[in-house]
Amino acid sequence: RKEVEQDPGPFNVPEGATVAFNCTYSNSASQSFFWYRQDCRKEPKLLMSVYSSGNEDGRFTAQLNRASQYISLLIRDSKLSDSATYLCVVNIGETGFQKLVFGTGTRLLVSP
Amino acid sequence: DTAVSQTPKYLVTQMGNDKSIKCEQNLGHDTMYWYKQDSKKFLKIMFSYNNKELIINETVPNRFSPKSPDKAHLNLHINSLELGDSAVYFCASSPWTGRETQYFGPGTRLLVL
Repeated sequence: RKEVEQDPGPFNVPEGATVAFNCTYSNSASQSFFWYRQDCRKEPKLLMSVYSSGNEDGRFTAQLNRASQYISLLIRDSKLSDSATYLCVVNIGETGFQKLVFGTGTRLLVSP
Repeated sequence: DTAVSQTPKYLVTQMGNDKSIKCEQNLGHDTMYWYKQDSKKFLKIMFSYNNKELIINETVPNRFSPKSPDKAHLNLHINSLELGDSAVYFCASSPWTGRETQYFGPGTRLLVL
């Protein structure tokens, strides 16, 4: 079983749609959680951290369920510029250092 | 200002050669990393250094040797390159805390012929 699993997609949605990505992780001792975004032929960039209480940043909402070891990302009112690969990332490092484990990513294509 | 920079951006070389990739960060971070992203786009940690000390060394062939002359630089030297080494190599840096994000460099696209 992969440490971090995501549906690879692609998810093809029209502009304005709401789309949700899911992710599961296997290491129950995981310390922190993130969603990164990677554009084609570019480096990954942090989209948002994910907190246990859930958190929102504009059109993006992230949720974490530690009991189910499940992370989600909701994108509302999709824009063309949201087209990218979304990487679910889990930190399994011990206190004081990071060891990030990346999912294989979910590709999103937003069309006019 | 570029936060994390890597050179070269592209590297095309023959099997059996030795090559180096350089990474520098101007963010004042204590920790730096090397990742490999293969043809299936899977991104995996290779090494991590904190203040010039190796703290993560994943199962990587010993042909790969990282070197950190100071905490702002982490270079990667690869001996006897093989076809399977073809990938994108990303350098990253972060502060020495568990919840901070990592900042990635633009990547070095290595093609071994």
